[in-house]
Amino acid sequence: DSGVTQTPKHLITATGQRVTLRCSPRSGDLSVYWYQQSLDQGLQFLIQYYNGEERAKGNILERFSAQQFPDLHSELNLSSLELGDSALYFCASSAGGRNTEAFFGQGTRLTVV
Amino acid sequence: AQTVTQSQPEMSVQEAETVTLSCTYDTSENNYYLFWYKQPPSRQMILVIRQEAYKQQNATENRFSVNFQKAAKSFSLKISDSQLGDTAMYFCAILLYNFNKFYFGSGTKLNVKP
Repeated sequence: DSGVTQTPKHLITATGQRVTLRCSPRSGDLSVYWYQQSLDQGLQFLIQYYNGEERAKGNILERFSAQQFPDLHSELNLSSLELGDSALYFCASSAGGRNTEAFFGQGTRLTVV
Repeated sequence: AQTVTQSQPEMSVQEAETVTLSCTYDTSENNYYLFWYKQPPSRQMILVIRQEAYKQQNATENRFSVNFQKAAKSFSLKISDSQLGDTAMYFCAILLYNFNKFYFGSGTKLNVKP
């Protein structure tokens, strides 16, 4: 158990809909990263938050948005969903600074039908 | 810009043999860590090994070891005595800890054959 919790584990929704994925980082970790992984593909970096502030942005679509709350949990919002958005969405957290690594959650499997 | 390159999309190895997965990276930063993550069919991301860039000594974790060549910006993973459970996707990653940014390679799919 990495200590990073993602909910829900699975999500099936229709095209055009909006969903929210939630991530609770490890206790004490200030950084949260979101990644998208399509079938048999690598990890596509979406966005990073550090202590409530956006730190870095990857190839995140305008239909996607995220935020990190004061309690450090993070939500990734995906709207106007398309079939191509079907993927595994990972959240990872790290403490920041030296002696750290990224701890990954189990991922949320999103299927758009 | 930072990049991590894994030039081997897929590799196979016989059980009990040794295999080396390649990774090169590019960064102008001096303060970073390098990692290898394993993603088995369960899709869980598992840390295999990490290397501090300021350390000359190559990291080792049981059957897993790295060959870190800082000047060449190369960070390969050697798996000795391969086991069936090593079958997974392997990702190389770099952490720029001054900026707290992670970058991942595209992955190498390793298949261990009985």
